[in-house]
Amino acid sequence: GAVVSQHPSWVICKSGTSVKIECRSLDFQATTMFWYRQFPKQSLMLMATSNEGSKATYEQGVEKDKFLINHASLTLSTLTVTSAHPEDSSFYICSASYRNTDTQYFGPGTRLTVL
Amino acid sequence: AQSVSQHNHHVILSEAASLELGCNYSYGGTVNLFWYVQYPGQHLQLLLKYFSGDPLVKGIKGFEAEFIKSKFSFNLRKPSVQWSDTAEYFCAVKGNTDKLIFGTGTRLQVFP
Repeated sequence: GAVVSQHPSWVICKSGTSVKIECRSLDFQATTMFWYRQFPKQSLMLMATSNEGSKATYEQGVEKDKFLINHASLTLSTLTVTSAHPEDSSFYICSASYRNTDTQYFGPGTRLTVL
Repeated sequence: AQSVSQHNHHVILSEAASLELGCNYSYGGTVNLFWYVQYPGQHLQLLLKYFSGDPLVKGIKGFEAEFIKSKFSFNLRKPSVQWSDTAEYFCAVKGNTDKLIFGTGTRLQVFP
């Protein structure tokens, strides 16, 4: 149980375009979803936390207008990278947890390459 | 602010050797502690976690970790590693918010 999926697993886009990444909890209702960014050979850096039906809480230094997060249902959250630039190229990972638990379940990640 | 340190960045072992990966955190309050593993090309998986109770926690695949509150440590151990344990290992801490703070990770390579 507690499976989280992400789509797409990888995406290549041109500079200036927008990319949407989906994160789904397949067998549980995720009251909270998290978005991370992982640079090569580095740790996961939390970008934002989103609760279903509420606005996301962004970490310091993360541009909320650039990284749009929507958590419209208990099984789906989306991250949209707007006007992507090469420096946005990274591995984006989501995780999900359900009410009153402290364990996060991670998705497989999405590799974004901006040309 | 919370932070997590993993001092071993890259560990190379032969099969059957014993493993201990260090994890230290800084946070004054009650913490929940986690070890995650990321096998090559795969997503993060939970190895084990500590919330309260017995400070020696058993996880999957023969791993265990010991919470030593006085040392702010949560070291990961395995008595005999296998080639299939080759992976990246991340220690993480959760304080009084929903946030997980990750260490920088330790890359473990096990040679047959």
